[in-house]
Amino acid sequence: EAGVAQSPRYKIIEKRQSVAFWCNPISGHATLYWYQQILGQGPKLLIQFQNNGVVDDSQLPKDRFSAERLKGVDSTLKIQPAKLEDSAVYLCASSLNRAAGGYNEQFFGPGTRLTVL
Amino acid sequence: GNSVTQMEGPVTLSEEAFLTINCTYTATGYPSLFWYVQYPGEGLQLLLKATKADDKGSNKGFEATYRKETTSFHLEKGSVQVSDSAVYFCALYSGGGADGLTFGKGTHLIIQP
Repeated sequence: EAGVAQSPRYKIIEKRQSVAFWCNPISGHATLYWYQQILGQGPKLLIQFQNNGVVDDSQLPKDRFSAERLKGVDSTLKIQPAKLEDSAVYLCASSLNRAAGGYNEQFFGPGTRLTVL
Repeated sequence: GNSVTQMEGPVTLSEEAFLTINCTYTATGYPSLFWYVQYPGEGLQLLLKATKADDKGSNKGFEATYRKETTSFHLEKGSVQVSDSAVYFCALYSGGGADGLTFGKGTHLIIQP
């Protein structure tokens, strides 16, 4: 079974530029997550989708970050304009479905490492 | 809010040494607890989990016991190998409106031959 795919693996941009990351979850997984992992810290949830709807985006900096999952399968995370502090690894994860009284294992992709100069 | 605190790294051990990585948490209700591992160049992988108090999660020789009274979930292994070198993250899931995991900062483990 193919895992969570992400691209690109690495991206270097200058501040104030725009960037987009792509994620393709495991086939059949209804729930998709984007996490931000700053160097030396654990991943922090940015946004969670259930199919093509947003479940939680309370920690997404909406003035510059946006995400979509239009057809309920793959997803794009965009930053516009980027700041130096956005340098991080952006992780995508997916799970079968939203937890209903329990936990559905989240499977993580390899991440996209963003460097903002 | 929820939080996870784990011991700072790097932790450097010799092969076959005993490993403990401490993890404590703060959460409302009764969270599920996890250890994830990140090998160099790879994504996060679930190592083990425990969903209720006194549960013991185990996998690949690693163990952790959910201790509600001390709000801890320490990771242990009796004899580490060079291949165990990785970054280990303690995490919790508390349910509710969102299903995101709350992670600790990670502990970099280096095993020397």
